[in-house]
Amino acid sequence: DAKTTQPTSMDCAEGRAANLPCNHSTISGNEYVYWYRQIHSQGPQYIIHGLKNNETNEMASLIITEDRKSSTLILPHATLRDTAVYYCIVRPPMDSNYQLIWGAGTKLIIKP
Amino acid sequence: DAGVIQSPRHEVTEMGQEVTLRCKPISGHDYLFWYRQTMMRGLELLIYFNNNVPIDDSGMPEDRFSAKMPNASFSTLKIQPSEPRDSAVYFCASSLVAPDTQYFGPGTRLTVL
Repeated sequence: DAKTTQPTSMDCAEGRAANLPCNHSTISGNEYVYWYRQIHSQGPQYIIHGLKNNETNEMASLIITEDRKSSTLILPHATLRDTAVYYCIVRPPMDSNYQLIWGAGTKLIIKP
Repeated sequence: DAGVIQSPRHEVTEMGQEVTLRCKPISGHDYLFWYRQTMMRGLELLIYFNNNVPIDDSGMPEDRFSAKMPNASFSTLKIQPSEPRDSAVYFCASSLVAPDTQYFGPGTRLTVL
């Protein structure tokens, strides 16, 4: 079963910041939070990941709460090309039975 | 690098036929994953390899499915015989060392009539 809860869909105006929430209340201390997105008819694309601290890269920022039970992915200036399904995934440490559990994700629609 | 390469991009076949999907991972990546995506079940991991060795095939739906990785630059997923319920998009992904940041191919859309 998926360990994360995300809203089914969200809208955001072009040029504004898109804030995508994710709940992972059962996360363990050594589990990472990963974000991927899937643009229509393409394979999933890695965005960012983090353990405890906030992270930022050229695509997005990841804010993880102090208790690590939730996180927010921020796309600072959304464009129409950011319309996609965004997946929040809790990734366990590498072990012999490693497997990513993909939930339904959040369908983000950027409107002009 | 060209990224993960999959072929064919689209496959239409009739029930009972053998289907072979192909994947070339990113050079130097030690992990290779095969996924299946449908509207009903979402994205499912079928099998993954580490250094060409199958590590976990618990997601392979049944004996009709088989996967091989004869070398570090090539993998196949075979379905024999195919059935209409196998219709889906099949993705291949690879990662460098730890199986975390995965890079996906464009997928193969399989339709079994």
